[in-house]
Amino acid sequence: EIVLTQSPGTLSLSQGERATLSCRASQSVSGSFLTWYQQKPGQAPRLLIYGASTRATGIPDRFSGSGSGTDFTLTISRLEPEDFAVYYCQLYDNSAYTFGQGTKLEIK
Amino acid sequence: QVQLQESGPGLVKPSGTLSLTCAVSGGSISSSHWWSWVRQPPGKGLEWIGQIHLGGSTSYSPSLRPRVTISVDTSNNQFSLSLNSLTAADTAVYYCARHNAFSFDYWGRGTLVTVSS
Repeated sequence: EIVLTQSPGTLSLSQGERATLSCRASQSVSGSFLTWYQQKPGQAPRLLIYGASTRATGIPDRFSGSGSGTDFTLTISRLEPEDFAVYYCQLYDNSAYTFGQGTKLEIK
Repeated sequence: QVQLQESGPGLVKPSGTLSLTCAVSGGSISSSHWWSWVRQPPGKGLEWIGQIHLGGSTSYSPSLRPRVTISVDTSNNQFSLSLNSLTAADTAVYYCARHNAFSFDYWGRGTLVTVSS
């Protein structure tokens, strides 16, 4: 089973700053199967990025995804107040889905 | 706009069985071939439980496979989750979700299930 490790666990930044979130897989994976979600308290996760780098419908272009092999990155170019939330990466592998443990993006 | 709504008991007893239903509205359940259940213990991360294909094929998380059954009812536009031999560790918010390729694009709002006597 492939394990996804997200870092950092918590990221403290200010509005307007750039956020870089990491998701590392325990073995090489296809980017086609890597997804990012945003979750706010009391809400269901929201699909942000699929296929490692494709923004979902309605997602602002300040969100971008990149990476390949074992290392994937979610970048938020200029943080808006509504971006402070928990972010999860997710992988499809061998007919199953795995989530990373999440990165909490908090206001500094 | 597709909407998903989970329903079922909010409190179940240890060693009992959890039964939840996800009703799909705003579109046909046939809009996607695959549908999943995901759970989230309070204050913790997301855990995929399993998925079902409209044709009835299923796959489950290896850690939960012995205790899980997912079924689909296309005539009523819904699918269901059954999880048995419950312990306190099964206390979580349970979400249903629609697949879009290898991601989940629509989610229910979630329902909290507490396992307690």
